[in-house]
Amino acid sequence: GQNIDQPTEMTATEGAIVQINCTYQTSGFNGLFWYQQHAGEAPTFLSYNVLDGLEEKGRFSSFLSRSKGYSYLLLKELQMKDSASYLCAPMDSNYQLIWGAGTKLIIKP
Amino acid sequence: IAGITQAPTSQILAAGRRMTLRCTQDMRHNAMYWYRQDLGLGLRLIHYSNTAGTTGKGEVPDGYSVSRANTDDFPLTLASAVPSQTSVYFCASSETPGQGSNEQFFGPGTRLTVL
Repeated sequence: GQNIDQPTEMTATEGAIVQINCTYQTSGFNGLFWYQQHAGEAPTFLSYNVLDGLEEKGRFSSFLSRSKGYSYLLLKELQMKDSASYLCAPMDSNYQLIWGAGTKLIIKP
Repeated sequence: IAGITQAPTSQILAAGRRMTLRCTQDMRHNAMYWYRQDLGLGLRLIHYSNTAGTTGKGEVPDGYSVSRANTDDFPLTLASAVPSQTSVYFCASSETPGQGSNEQFFGPGTRLTVL
């Protein structure tokens, strides 16, 4: 079956660095997405990895290891506005996104 | 440019009533999707359409139907609402799956309560 595993909740301090891990099992693989979702709002795109390695985009970076079925999202210089849920979503062989339940990130001053 | 719009924003509905959630996009995307999001669960795909005139079933299609008469619109109908359909519903669109970026763009959502 298809399965996504990510922590339910994480807490970090403003200005610090946090890493959100995601492990997955899918029927085929066509890349992995990370989305950010603020409470009461729609998900918005953060990153897409299709090859192994690290993709950096400003304060956010995303890493993928296809052989391990593993990805992480790294957030640097945390700001209060980064308080949100972060959704890991690999794409299966039919190009359908399989969504994890999300990691709620709480930023404390 | 609006992107994707959904209507209504929220709705309280009596069980057994029929309801259509509307979704319109102006990005000329071929693919469109309907998801529901419940607390503690990931987004679950209800129905999708890879191009106008075609639709497919997702993970949780029972009790829902869709149509795709044109590129822009993708309405979701609950024929006879039940309380378990209480959820937040998101419509999304993307370029043709497997072509282009694969990124899905989401509408603002419809919060539906069935009593």
